[in-house]
Amino acid sequence: EAQVTQNPRYLITVTGKKLTVTCSQNMNHEYMSWYRQDPGLGLRQIYYSMNVEVTDKGDVPEGYKVSRKEKRNFPLILESPSPNQTSLYFCASSLGWGVSEAFFGQGTRLTVV
Amino acid sequence: GQNIDQPTEMTATEGAIVQINCTYQTSGFNGLFWYQQHAGEAPTFLSYNVLDGLEEKGRFSSFLSRSKGYSYLLLKELQMKDSASYLCAVTDSNYQLIWGAGTKLIIKP
Repeated sequence: EAQVTQNPRYLITVTGKKLTVTCSQNMNHEYMSWYRQDPGLGLRQIYYSMNVEVTDKGDVPEGYKVSRKEKRNFPLILESPSPNQTSLYFCASSLGWGVSEAFFGQGTRLTVV
Repeated sequence: GQNIDQPTEMTATEGAIVQINCTYQTSGFNGLFWYQQHAGEAPTFLSYNVLDGLEEKGRFSSFLSRSKGYSYLLLKELQMKDSASYLCAVTDSNYQLIWGAGTKLIIKP
């Protein structure tokens, strides 16, 4: 089954404790992206990747890091989480970014206390 | 700046028809998407318009007017399961997706 898998689904952590949210897709897509979603706001792009070892900042990259060492995986790293990073996070992949359907992971609800 | 406008919330009755509008001002245009998102779940693809006109897909249709910077999603024969948020997104000249905040659709029996 074609899918994007994110883990964990839910995470509560403390300020400053490094964490990683994993994302993996099995569709051989080149394009992958991370978004955060907050009430009243649209999806905001954090980082995106157009291929292995090619990543770029989105609209809200501060406080986040990513890597793309393999085509299927695109982890999101929060080196020192802060309460303003409490949000719902989605990973997405697409065959051709911006012109074809994006497939989203199940989401990770992160709370930083 | 780039902007996508959608109504925040709409209410409709089961079995009826509802139209959700989306207007956009973006730097260039390379297509418009509609996604459905149930509460707490991932967005799922509904439609993609790149040329003017109406695209029909079962109970859902999507319309685009590029000259007016306007699209709508039309949902017919509403069912309770259609209660969800509907997200409009535009691809700009750099092939980046610009997302609207979404329209929460409430279906009443």
